[in-house]
Amino acid sequence: DAGVTQSPTHLIKTRGQQVTLRCSPKSGHDTVSWYQQALGQGPQFIFQYYEEEERQRGNFPDRFSGHQFPNYSSELNVNALLLGDSALYLCASSPGQDGAQYFGPGTRLLVL
Amino acid sequence: GDSVTQMEGPVTLSEEAFLTINCTYTATGYPSLFWYVQYPGEGLQLLLKATKADDKGSNKGFEATYRKETTSFHLEKGSVQVSDSAVYFCAPGKNSGGSNYKLTFGKGTLLTVNP
Repeated sequence: DAGVTQSPTHLIKTRGQQVTLRCSPKSGHDTVSWYQQALGQGPQFIFQYYEEEERQRGNFPDRFSGHQFPNYSSELNVNALLLGDSALYLCASSPGQDGAQYFGPGTRLLVL
Repeated sequence: GDSVTQMEGPVTLSEEAFLTINCTYTATGYPSLFWYVQYPGEGLQLLLKATKADDKGSNKGFEATYRKETTSFHLEKGSVQVSDSAVYFCAPGKNSGGSNYKLTFGKGTLLTVNP
């Protein structure tokens, strides 16, 4: 049973560019959450998708947007990249409302 | 908003020593509580959880008890191994109608276990 998968594993972009990160949830999971983890810090909640809708959102600007597809996979889009967006982006999936979240290995984004 | 305070690291122990990592939280309502572990270069792995007061979560020799009166969820292990070296994160999580938990993470505690 495959766990949560994310692509790409690493990415280098320049300021002002746009980036799309992808996540496939664990089999049987229908909810996807995204987190940003800066170096040496704990993850910060970006947003959560369920039934193809954004259900919760953390304190992130509108430059951060997402999407969930009918197969429960998800994308995170970041527009107008800033140097401060350099971080590890983690996707977590969960089964329904009460299930614990399981994390993928992350996508490391470097903005130059 | 919700917040978490974990004991400052790094924590360095010898193999077979007793481990305690303190965690206290501030949250409205009654969150569920989680401990996650992050090994070098990897994503987070769920270690254990507790969903209501006085619940004890346990896994791989690690334990933590949900203490509502002290808003704490301290992680303990009786005998650590070198393979336990990692960063440990405490995270309260609250869910609401139609959504799963929104986890709030602390800064993490780096544990190094020497042979």
